[in-house]
Amino acid sequence: GAGVSQSPSNKVTEKGKDVELRCDPISGHTALYWYRQSLGQGLEFLIYFQGNSAPDKSGLPSDRFSAERTGGSVSTLTIQRTQQEDSAVYLCASSVRLAGTNNEQFFGPGTRLTVL
Amino acid sequence: LAKTTQPISMDSYEGQEVNITCSHNNIATNDYITWYQQFPSQGPRFIIQGYKTKVTNEVASLFIPADRKSSTLSLPRVSLSDTAVYYCLVGVIGAGTALIFGKGTTLSVSS
Repeated sequence: GAGVSQSPSNKVTEKGKDVELRCDPISGHTALYWYRQSLGQGLEFLIYFQGNSAPDKSGLPSDRFSAERTGGSVSTLTIQRTQQEDSAVYLCASSVRLAGTNNEQFFGPGTRLTVL
Repeated sequence: LAKTTQPISMDSYEGQEVNITCSHNNIATNDYITWYQQFPSQGPRFIIQGYKTKVTNEVASLFIPADRKSSTLSLPRVSLSDTAVYYCLVGVIGAGTALIFGKGTTLSVSS
């Protein structure tokens, strides 16, 4: 079956603009995760969803970041008033259920965001 | 929240066995240990996961001592295509626990 897909693959925007990044998880996966990876750095965990619920939003870097998930499927990560330090690859992953309980995360190809 | 420590980089040659050790002194009772592999311009890929003792699959082995304060990923007979970043993760999602990938270990395999 299809894996995790993300769109767009690349996004170039101007400082101050809002952007929306989309993630389509694997069908039937109840858990969804967002990470970001700056150049040469490890993955920074942002937020996870169990169904449509995000129990912990403390990983989001600032209040300019928000995420939602509807219908237990597609998720959107929105960054308002983008800043240059937001430039990174944003990765989405999904798993059958929450990770850490003998379950693996399947990652999408990522969205490379460049803020000019 | 269990923090992990891995070597920043390792070098190896084709055909050798590579062992990457991860320290996680503050591992909690419910934490699992998971390893991921990441190639450039790709998302990470699950390699192996374990709770204690030894786990083996078609790709790697994971050795976990009784105190679980460290773990060792063992890659048998590496090839050039095993050049990647390897991440050790410890934790269980939920109750505000985040997954920390860290910077991982960059493995470079030469011929």
